[in-house]
Amino acid sequence: EAQVTQNPRYLITVTGKKLTVTCSQNMNHEYMSWYRQDPGLGLRQIYYSMNVEVTDKGDVPEGYKVSRKEKRNFPLILESPSPNQTSLYFCASSLTATYEQYFGPGTRLTVT
Amino acid sequence: SQQGEEDPQALSIQEGENATMNCSYKTSINNLQWYRQNSGRGLVHLILIRSNEREKHSGRLRVTLDTSKKSSSLLITASRAADTASYFCATAGGTSYGKLTFGQGTILTVHP
Repeated sequence: EAQVTQNPRYLITVTGKKLTVTCSQNMNHEYMSWYRQDPGLGLRQIYYSMNVEVTDKGDVPEGYKVSRKEKRNFPLILESPSPNQTSLYFCASSLTATYEQYFGPGTRLTVT
Repeated sequence: SQQGEEDPQALSIQEGENATMNCSYKTSINNLQWYRQNSGRGLVHLILIRSNEREKHSGRLRVTLDTSKKSSSLLITASRAADTASYFCATAGGTSYGKLTFGQGTILTVHP
C-alpha cells in the first residue's frame, strides 16, 4: 500500500530535549516536505526536499533541521525544542514539487 | 507568508445543498490544489488545476481558476454529511518553485 508514515504519532517532551520525528514514503517520490499546523494559521511549510541531499527552507524553518540521505526518508529534527514548537506536524511526499501531495497521519508534539 | 487566503472561514449547510469555497493568492503559480482534512488527520488531495486551465471537474467537485484575479473556487454539489471537513487550497510552483503554500482553510459542516 502506497503510504507516508510518521513516528511517533504523539510526543510530549520538555524544553531543550532534542528530538527527531521520522518520515518515510514507499512511493519512490522525489519531493518531500514538512508542515506544521496551528489553529487559525493553516499549514505552514517548514522545509522541503527536491531530491536526495537537496533541501531548502520553507516559510517557518527556524528551530528545525532536516536531512535527506535516502530517497524514502526525511526526518525532522528539533535540536532544542521550545513551547512555541508545540503543534501538529505533517510530512508529505509527491513525485515532484508541483504534483499532488500525499500526507502522513500527523505527529502531535507538545513541548512543556 | 501565507499566499492562499480562503473564505468563508466556516460554512454550515444542509445535506443536498451546494457548498462553495473561495481561495485567493498573491503571486504567479504553476498549479492550485485543493485538499480535504477530517478533524486532526492527514490531508487528502482532491483536485489539481493547472495555471492554463480554467475549470476542472471530479465527481461532485468543480474547481475554477481565474489567474487574472488570482482566485479559485471549489464547488461541492449535492453535499452529504460525510463531506463535513476542513478544505484547504494550496498553490505550487511559480516564482517559488519547490514551495507549496496553503490557505487557512474553510471548515464545512453539512447537517443531515
